[in-house]
Amino acid sequence: GAGVSQSPSNKVTEKGKDVELRCDPISGHTALYWYRQSLGQGLEFLIYFQGNSAPDKSGLPSDRFSAERTGGSVSTLTIQRTQQEDSAVYLCASSFTGSQGGSFFGQGTRLTVV
Amino acid sequence: GEDVEQSLFLSVREGDSSVINCTYTDSSSTYLYWYKQEPGAGLQLLTYIFSNMDMKQDQRLTVLLNKKDKHLSLRIADTQTGDSAIYFCAETSMNTGFQKLVFGTGTRLLVSP
Repeated sequence: GAGVSQSPSNKVTEKGKDVELRCDPISGHTALYWYRQSLGQGLEFLIYFQGNSAPDKSGLPSDRFSAERTGGSVSTLTIQRTQQEDSAVYLCASSFTGSQGGSFFGQGTRLTVV
Repeated sequence: GEDVEQSLFLSVREGDSSVINCTYTDSSSTYLYWYKQEPGAGLQLLTYIFSNMDMKQDQRLTVLLNKKDKHLSLRIADTQTGDSAIYFCAETSMNTGFQKLVFGTGTRLLVSP
């Protein structure tokens, strides 16, 4: 597609439920990133995928968070047993190898845990 | 670890120049970026500069880099009301294998008519 596409754009879920957030990167981009934007923490790196390499999961805040990228394209971020502190905007970005030339962001998924 | 800091707020009048400042701590920072975020939207890449450059100009945008002081600035000439947004400075470096961006807190720019 022309840009990074994320779905859903908004998600309200009950505490304790699992959620899945989807990201469709720009065609041809081999690198894919998830970031989280919240009022208290600003923009935080979560996870990075590059080609077939093992992902860099160093930013995932807990083991309730996981992500996968199938076929080197679409990625899903899963949050299990959601907590209120998970409420944030989850942003996906993609780029060519590495982020030197800048990463291109989707519109984000606003997650609200009630 | 890496840290990027920005002032939180800037208010200017339409037609004036805006200067948004950013400081960073990572001495190996190699690429520095400016992103714009409008309400309810994702991040739009405005421009970036490589650390062997002092200045980069792109239409109304001028980026200045003082590597010695680890200071980056974004100047917007002839600021318009449509420039009102949050501006994020970000850096990436060999320390992170260029694998992630470290963002500042963002500067909210308000342009009044």
